[in-house]
Amino acid sequence: QLQLQESGPGLVKPSETLSLTCTVSGGSISSSSYYWGWVRQPPGKGLEWIGTIYYSGTTYYNPSLKSRVTISVDTSKSQLFLKLSSVTAADTAVYYCARPSSYYGSGSYSPFDYWGQGTLVTVSS
Amino acid sequence: EIVLTQSPGTLSLSPGERATLSCRASQSVSSSYLAWYQQEPGQAPRLLIYGASSRATGIPDRFSGSGSGTDFTLTISRLEPEDFAVYYCQQYGSSPFTFGPGTKVDIK
Repeated sequence: QLQLQESGPGLVKPSETLSLTCTVSGGSISSSSYYWGWVRQPPGKGLEWIGTIYYSGTTYYNPSLKSRVTISVDTSKSQLFLKLSSVTAADTAVYYCARPSSYYGSGSYSPFDYWGQGTLVTVSS
Repeated sequence: EIVLTQSPGTLSLSPGERATLSCRASQSVSSSYLAWYQQEPGQAPRLLIYGASSRATGIPDRFSGSGSGTDFTLTISRLEPEDFAVYYCQQYGSSPFTFGPGTKVDIK
C-alpha cells in the first residue's frame, strides 16, 4: 500500500523559506506513470494546488505561487521536496503531498488518489 | 483560471436521506476532468469520483457523479453516518488545477 508522509518544521518566521519533505513508501517514486504533487489548506478553508512534479524533474506550478515555489524530487531516497520562499501569515496551512493518478486522468492532468496525512505549518514570528 | 462554485455551502440532512451537491465552473471543464473528494475533520481528502462520473476504487455505489461542461453534481443516494463530511470538487483539465470552496453535509 502506497504511503506518503510529510515532514518539516511546524513553525516558520515571516520572510523565511518553508521547506518540507514527503517520503514515499510502498511503491516506486520513479515509475514512468506517476507524478507527485503538493496541495495546501489554510485552517478552516479550502484546498489549493501548489504544484506537480514528474519523477524526471519536470515541474508544473500554480501561477499564483510560481515565483516563490520550488518542487524537486530525489528518486534515490523516494522523497519529494517543497520550498516556499518569502512566507507570510497567509502561507499558514496544512501542507499535503499527494499523487495525481494517471489511471484516473492523463499525466499531470489527473486527480489525486493518494494523500499524506498533512503537516501544519504556521508562519509567525 | 477556472473558478469552481459549490452549492449549497451547508446541507443539513438525516441519515438515509438523499444528498445532492452542485459544482459549477466558470468555464467548460476540459474532457470532463472533474473530481469529487470527501474530507472528514483532521483527515486528508479522499478521492470519490473522477472524470465527472466514475467512482474511484473502493468507493460505495451510493456515491454517483454526473454532469459535463460547466455543471456537475455529486449525489449520495442514502446517507450513512460516515458520509457527514465536507465535499470538494476539483477540475484537473486546465492548469492551474482548482478546487471549489466545499459543501459541508451535516446531521440535521
